[in-house]
Amino acid sequence: EVQLVESGGGLVQPGGSLRLSCAASGFTVSSNYMSWVRQAPGKGLEWVSVIYSGGSTYYADSVKGRFTISRDNSKNTLYLQMNSLRAEDTAVYYCASSPQRDTPLDYWGQGTLVTVSS
Amino acid sequence: DIVMTQSPDSLAVSLGERATINCKSSQSVLYSSNNKNYLAWYQQKPGQPPKLLIYWASTRESGVPDRFSGSGSGTDFTLTISSLQAEDVAVYYCQQYYSTLLTFGPGTKVDIK
Repeated sequence: EVQLVESGGGLVQPGGSLRLSCAASGFTVSSNYMSWVRQAPGKGLEWVSVIYSGGSTYYADSVKGRFTISRDNSKNTLYLQMNSLRAEDTAVYYCASSPQRDTPLDYWGQGTLVTVSS
Repeated sequence: DIVMTQSPDSLAVSLGERATINCKSSQSVLYSSNNKNYLAWYQQKPGQPPKLLIYWASTRESGVPDRFSGSGSGTDFTLTISSLQAEDVAVYYCQQYYSTLLTFGPGTKVDIK
């Protein structure tokens, strides 16, 4: 059974940093296209970033230059390093997977809440 | 970026009645080389992550009841729930995966009348 479990969320001050993790089981992170999607409280879904199986990475304009997506193949885990955090980054962050490029997000984690506030 | 819009923002339908949600993309998501529309629909219930319902605009994900159907091509798409059940109360999102930068519609909230 495929399972994605996010962790690392919490309260952080504006300008601070946080690293989110997404531990996968039942499939191999490095063989899939792994994304981060966030949802601000009471709002819709916003795609944040993707890492392809080949290692290419892409970001939404709203986080480019501040967030970095990566993975550790030995731990079968996806990461999102978030720097220079702003209040508008407050959201539940989900990791999600696609089997190939240009396919929908078929597996999702339960999400981890990031709150940016002083 | 491809901008996705949805209508209506919300709707209330009686149990057993039809619910129809529209989605429009700012540019075509039909890939001419394979004639596939790179459009998916997700259902999100309160406190839960989104769940993939439909992909390629009209293909139901495994296990999704057949009362859910998708249609459309190019820039205009529709999600139809043919006979609304109580468990279908949720927010529904369309999403394009034609572009590397994925984008979602703003969501449509479906309630029971």
